[in-house]
Amino acid sequence: DVKVTQSSRYLVKRTGEKVFLECVQDMDHENMFWYRQDPGLGLRLIYFSYDVKMKEKGDIPEGYSVSREKKERFSLILESASTNQTSMYLCASGLGERGYGYTFGSGTRLTVV
Amino acid sequence: GDSVTQMEGPVTLSEEAFLTINCTYTATGYPSLFWYVQYPGEGLQLLLKATKADDKGSNKGFEATYRKETTSFHLEKGSVQVSDSAVYFCALSGSARQLTFGSGTQLTVLP
Repeated sequence: DVKVTQSSRYLVKRTGEKVFLECVQDMDHENMFWYRQDPGLGLRLIYFSYDVKMKEKGDIPEGYSVSREKKERFSLILESASTNQTSMYLCASGLGERGYGYTFGSGTRLTVV
Repeated sequence: GDSVTQMEGPVTLSEEAFLTINCTYTATGYPSLFWYVQYPGEGLQLLLKATKADDKGSNKGFEATYRKETTSFHLEKGSVQVSDSAVYFCALSGSARQLTFGSGTQLTVLP
């Protein structure tokens, strides 16, 4: 069964810390995505990548960066965590073919205190 | 650009009731259409999909038919269970390499 694995289910960090959220997929997918999900706001795209070492800003990239050094791994970085980044973070991967869709990880619930 | 409009929630039903969650879309060309389900505390899972007009996707008793003439992909289930309580997202894959998601509909099924 195909898998997208997010390194942590729950994370508590302090304001100002540098935070790394890791995502690994075992499906040889080219495309990977990071979303955040907040009540009443749906899914919001932070960053995405269509290839190794490639990244594109999504709708809300401010305060975040990403790294994709290997095809299977896509990391989301919070350079200096703030309380307004408390959220559920979802990683997804996909083939990029029209009928394929995405496979999502289980999510990381990040709390910044 | 592409967009998906979903029925606003929350939706609360009694067990064994009939479920419909409306989804309409705007897209150029011939998008593929998807329903995802998110159980509490989890990521999204693909529930069903349809890739061309008049296709019916089905899974776990849920169904949705791709209606190009009405640009719709409504989710239905004949008899819901408490375990169906979740958030449901409609999505499309159009000309871009990304999915466009609706805002999600919270479903609560009461015993």
